[in-house]
Amino acid sequence: DGGITQSPKYLFRKEGQNVTLSCEQNLNHDAMYWYRQDPGQGLRLIYYSQIVNDFQKGDIAEGYSVSREKKESFPLTVTSAQKNPTAFYLCASSIDGGGATYEQYFGPGTRLTVT
Amino acid sequence: AQSVAQPEDQVNVAEGNPLTVKCTYSVSGNPYLFWYVQYPNRGLQFLLKYITGDNLVKGSYGFEAEFNKSQTSFHLKKPSALVSDSALYFCAVRDRWNFNKFYFGSGTKLNVKP
Repeated sequence: DGGITQSPKYLFRKEGQNVTLSCEQNLNHDAMYWYRQDPGQGLRLIYYSQIVNDFQKGDIAEGYSVSREKKESFPLTVTSAQKNPTAFYLCASSIDGGGATYEQYFGPGTRLTVT
Repeated sequence: AQSVAQPEDQVNVAEGNPLTVKCTYSVSGNPYLFWYVQYPNRGLQFLLKYITGDNLVKGSYGFEAEFNKSQTSFHLKKPSALVSDSALYFCAVRDRWNFNKFYFGSGTKLNVKP
Protein backbone atom coordinates (compact mmCIF):
# COMPACT_ATOMS: atom_id res chain seq x y z
CA ASP A 1 0.00 0.00 0.00
CA GLY A 2 2.72 2.40 -1.06
CA GLY A 3 4.26 3.92 2.08
CA ILE A 4 1.01 4.98 3.73
CA THR A 5 -0.03 3.41 7.01
CA GLN A 6 -3.39 3.60 8.66
CA SER A 7 -4.19 2.37 12.11
CA PRO A 8 -6.01 0.58 13.44
CA LYS A 9 -7.33 -1.73 10.72
CA TYR A 10 -10.59 -2.32 12.61
CA LEU A 11 -12.14 0.06 15.12
CA PHE A 12 -15.25 -0.34 17.22
CA ARG A 13 -16.88 2.51 19.13
CA LYS A 14 -20.06 3.27 20.94
CA GLU A 15 -22.38 5.89 19.59
CA GLY A 16 -21.64 9.34 21.01
CA GLN A 17 -17.90 8.85 21.26
CA ASN A 18 -15.34 10.70 19.19
CA VAL A 19 -12.71 8.54 17.52
CA THR A 20 -9.46 9.42 15.76
CA LEU A 21 -8.10 7.50 12.79
CA SER A 22 -4.40 7.65 12.14
CA CYS A 23 -2.72 8.20 8.75
CA GLU A 24 1.03 8.44 8.24
CA GLN A 25 3.02 8.59 4.99
CA ASN A 26 6.74 8.39 4.29
CA LEU A 27 6.49 9.32 0.61
CA ASN A 28 7.32 12.99 1.18
CA HIS A 29 4.02 13.92 -0.47
CA ASP A 30 2.59 17.35 0.17
CA ALA A 31 -1.07 16.53 -0.44
CA MET A 32 -3.08 14.18 1.75
CA TYR A 33 -6.72 13.14 1.61
CA TRP A 34 -9.40 11.34 3.56
CA TYR A 35 -12.15 9.40 1.82
CA ARG A 36 -15.13 7.49 3.03
CA GLN A 37 -16.19 4.34 1.18
CA ASP A 38 -19.68 2.87 1.43
CA PRO A 39 -20.91 -0.10 -0.61
CA GLY A 40 -22.05 0.90 -4.08
CA GLN A 41 -21.12 4.56 -3.62
CA GLY A 42 -17.48 4.69 -4.55
CA LEU A 43 -15.23 7.06 -2.65
CA ARG A 44 -16.37 10.37 -1.22
CA LEU A 45 -13.90 13.06 -0.20
CA ILE A 46 -14.04 14.18 3.42
CA TYR A 47 -11.05 16.51 3.76
CA TYR A 48 -7.82 17.22 1.96
CA SER A 49 -4.65 19.09 2.78
CA GLN A 50 -2.12 20.58 0.38
CA ILE A 51 0.36 21.72 2.97
CA VAL A 52 1.10 21.63 6.67
CA ASN A 53 -1.33 23.63 8.81
CA ASP A 54 -3.79 23.98 5.96
CA PHE A 55 -6.74 21.79 4.98
CA GLN A 56 -9.95 22.07 3.00
CA LYS A 57 -13.37 20.52 3.33
CA GLY A 58 -14.37 17.95 0.79
CA ASP A 59 -17.85 16.92 -0.20
CA ILE A 60 -18.91 15.32 3.09
CA ALA A 61 -16.97 17.12 5.84
CA GLU A 62 -19.85 17.49 8.30
CA GLY A 63 -19.17 15.55 11.50
CA TYR A 64 -15.46 15.16 10.79
CA SER A 65 -12.36 17.14 11.70
CA VAL A 66 -8.69 16.91 10.73
CA SER A 67 -5.32 18.39 11.57
CA ARG A 68 -2.06 18.64 9.64
CA GLU A 69 0.67 19.55 12.08
CA LYS A 70 3.32 17.50 10.29
CA LYS A 71 3.84 16.74 6.61
CA GLU A 72 3.75 12.99 7.28
CA SER A 73 0.61 12.88 9.37
CA PHE A 74 -3.06 13.64 8.68
CA PRO A 75 -5.33 12.24 11.42
CA LEU A 76 -9.10 12.20 11.01
CA THR A 77 -11.49 12.56 13.94
CA VAL A 78 -14.98 11.20 13.54
CA THR A 79 -17.09 13.17 15.96
CA SER A 80 -20.36 12.28 17.62
CA ALA A 81 -22.02 14.74 15.24
CA GLN A 82 -21.47 12.38 12.29
CA LYS A 83 -24.86 10.75 11.88
CA ASN A 84 -23.78 7.57 10.13
CA PRO A 85 -20.10 6.96 10.91
CA THR A 86 -19.89 3.23 10.19
CA ALA A 87 -17.83 2.96 7.01
CA PHE A 88 -14.46 2.09 5.51
CA TYR A 89 -12.09 5.07 5.71
CA LEU A 90 -9.23 5.51 3.28
CA CYS A 91 -6.31 7.89 3.52
CA ALA A 92 -4.34 8.86 0.42
CA SER A 93 -1.47 11.10 -0.57
CA SER A 94 -0.20 12.62 -3.77
CA ILE A 95 2.60 14.73 -5.14
CA ASP A 96 1.46 18.31 -5.29
CA GLY A 97 3.69 19.67 -8.03
CA GLY A 98 1.37 22.32 -9.35
CA GLY A 99 -0.08 19.98 -11.93
CA ALA A 100 -2.86 17.45 -12.07
CA THR A 101 -0.93 14.57 -13.58
CA TYR A 102 -0.06 12.68 -10.44
CA GLU A 103 -1.93 9.71 -9.09
CA GLN A 104 -2.87 9.09 -5.48
CA TYR A 105 -1.36 6.47 -3.22
CA PHE A 106 -3.72 4.85 -0.74
CA GLY A 107 -3.35 3.37 2.69
CA PRO A 108 -4.87 0.00 3.63
CA GLY A 109 -7.94 1.59 5.23
CA THR A 110 -9.65 1.54 8.62
CA ARG A 111 -13.03 -0.10 9.04
CA LEU A 112 -14.97 1.80 11.67
CA THR A 113 -18.05 0.27 13.27
CA VAL A 114 -20.17 2.38 15.60
CA THR A 115 -22.94 0.71 17.60
CA ALA B 1 -18.68 19.68 -12.84
CA GLN B 2 -16.28 16.81 -13.25
CA SER B 3 -17.61 13.29 -12.97
CA VAL B 4 -17.09 9.73 -14.06
CA ALA B 5 -19.60 6.95 -14.50
CA GLN B 6 -19.12 3.22 -14.41
CA PRO B 7 -22.29 1.82 -15.96
CA GLU B 8 -21.76 -1.78 -14.83
CA ASP B 9 -21.90 -2.78 -11.19
CA GLN B 10 -20.46 -6.17 -12.06
CA VAL B 11 -18.65 -7.81 -14.96
CA ASN B 12 -18.30 -11.56 -15.28
CA VAL B 13 -15.71 -13.14 -17.54
CA ALA B 14 -14.13 -16.55 -17.93
CA GLU B 15 -10.43 -16.99 -17.27
CA GLY B 16 -8.43 -16.57 -20.47
CA ASN B 17 -11.04 -14.40 -22.15
CA PRO B 18 -10.57 -10.69 -22.78
CA LEU B 19 -12.12 -8.31 -20.29
CA THR B 20 -13.43 -4.77 -20.50
CA VAL B 21 -14.52 -2.54 -17.64
CA LYS B 22 -16.29 0.56 -18.84
CA CYS B 23 -15.87 4.17 -17.76
CA THR B 24 -17.27 7.38 -19.20
CA TYR B 25 -16.39 10.85 -18.07
CA SER B 26 -17.76 14.35 -18.06
CA VAL B 27 -15.21 17.13 -17.67
CA SER B 28 -14.53 20.59 -18.94
CA GLY B 29 -11.31 20.68 -20.89
CA ASN B 30 -8.92 17.80 -21.34
CA PRO B 31 -9.32 15.06 -18.76
CA TYR B 32 -6.77 13.48 -16.47
CA LEU B 33 -8.07 9.93 -16.03
CA PHE B 34 -7.02 7.11 -13.73
CA TRP B 35 -7.83 3.48 -13.02
CA TYR B 36 -7.42 1.87 -9.61
CA VAL B 37 -8.02 -1.65 -8.32
CA GLN B 38 -9.16 -2.61 -4.83
CA TYR B 39 -8.93 -6.05 -3.29
CA PRO B 40 -11.23 -6.89 -0.34
CA ASN B 41 -10.55 -4.84 2.79
CA ARG B 42 -7.56 -3.15 1.19
CA GLY B 43 -6.72 0.28 -0.11
CA LEU B 44 -6.80 1.21 -3.77
CA GLN B 45 -3.83 0.44 -6.00
CA PHE B 46 -2.99 2.58 -9.00
CA LEU B 47 -3.14 0.76 -12.36
CA LEU B 48 -2.68 3.40 -15.05
CA LYS B 49 -3.44 6.93 -16.11
CA TYR B 50 -4.11 9.01 -19.19
CA ILE B 51 -2.72 12.52 -19.23
CA THR B 52 -1.98 13.21 -22.88
CA GLY B 53 -0.52 11.52 -25.94
CA ASP B 54 -1.31 8.00 -27.14
CA ASN B 55 -4.90 6.96 -26.68
CA LEU B 56 -3.87 3.46 -25.60
CA VAL B 57 -2.29 3.51 -22.17
CA LYS B 58 -0.50 0.49 -20.71
CA GLY B 59 -0.36 -0.12 -17.00
CA SER B 60 0.35 -2.63 -14.29
CA TYR B 61 -0.48 -6.37 -14.34
CA GLY B 62 -1.09 -6.42 -18.11
CA PHE B 63 -3.96 -3.92 -18.01
CA GLU B 64 -4.42 -1.22 -20.60
CA ALA B 65 -7.02 1.46 -21.20
CA GLU B 66 -8.24 3.18 -24.29
CA PHE B 67 -9.02 6.88 -24.20
CA ASN B 68 -11.72 7.90 -26.66
CA LYS B 69 -12.37 11.61 -26.73
CA SER B 70 -15.35 11.51 -29.08
CA GLN B 71 -17.13 8.97 -26.90
CA THR B 72 -15.80 10.47 -23.64
CA SER B 73 -14.74 7.02 -22.52
CA PHE B 74 -11.76 5.43 -20.85
CA HIS B 75 -12.40 1.70 -20.80
CA LEU B 76 -10.07 -0.67 -18.97
CA LYS B 77 -9.03 -3.77 -20.88
CA LYS B 78 -6.96 -6.90 -20.58
CA PRO B 79 -6.43 -9.42 -23.39
CA SER B 80 -6.58 -12.51 -21.15
CA ALA B 81 -8.23 -12.43 -17.72
CA LEU B 82 -6.85 -14.23 -14.68
CA VAL B 83 -8.82 -15.43 -11.66
CA SER B 84 -6.55 -13.22 -9.57
CA ASP B 85 -7.88 -10.16 -11.46
CA SER B 86 -11.14 -10.54 -9.56
CA ALA B 87 -11.50 -7.31 -7.59
CA LEU B 88 -13.26 -3.95 -7.49
CA TYR B 89 -12.16 -1.46 -10.14
CA PHE B 90 -12.51 2.31 -9.92
CA CYS B 91 -12.23 4.92 -12.62
CA ALA B 92 -11.32 8.44 -11.50
CA VAL B 93 -10.83 11.89 -12.98
CA ARG B 94 -8.66 14.59 -11.49
CA ASP B 95 -10.05 18.10 -11.53
CA ARG B 96 -7.59 20.10 -13.62
CA TRP B 97 -8.80 23.40 -12.09
CA ASN B 98 -8.71 22.21 -8.50
CA PHE B 99 -6.19 19.48 -8.89
CA ASN B 100 -6.45 18.30 -5.33
CA LYS B 101 -9.87 16.89 -6.05
CA PHE B 102 -10.38 13.48 -7.59
CA TYR B 103 -13.80 12.22 -8.61
CA PHE B 104 -14.34 8.47 -8.46
CA GLY B 105 -16.87 6.26 -10.16
CA SER B 106 -18.99 3.93 -8.09
CA GLY B 107 -16.83 0.94 -8.90
CA THR B 108 -17.22 -2.22 -10.97
CA LYS B 109 -16.81 -5.64 -9.45
CA LEU B 110 -14.93 -7.94 -11.80
CA ASN B 111 -15.49 -11.67 -11.37
CA VAL B 112 -13.17 -13.96 -13.32
CA LYS B 113 -14.30 -17.57 -13.22
CA PRO B 114 -11.97 -20.53 -13.76
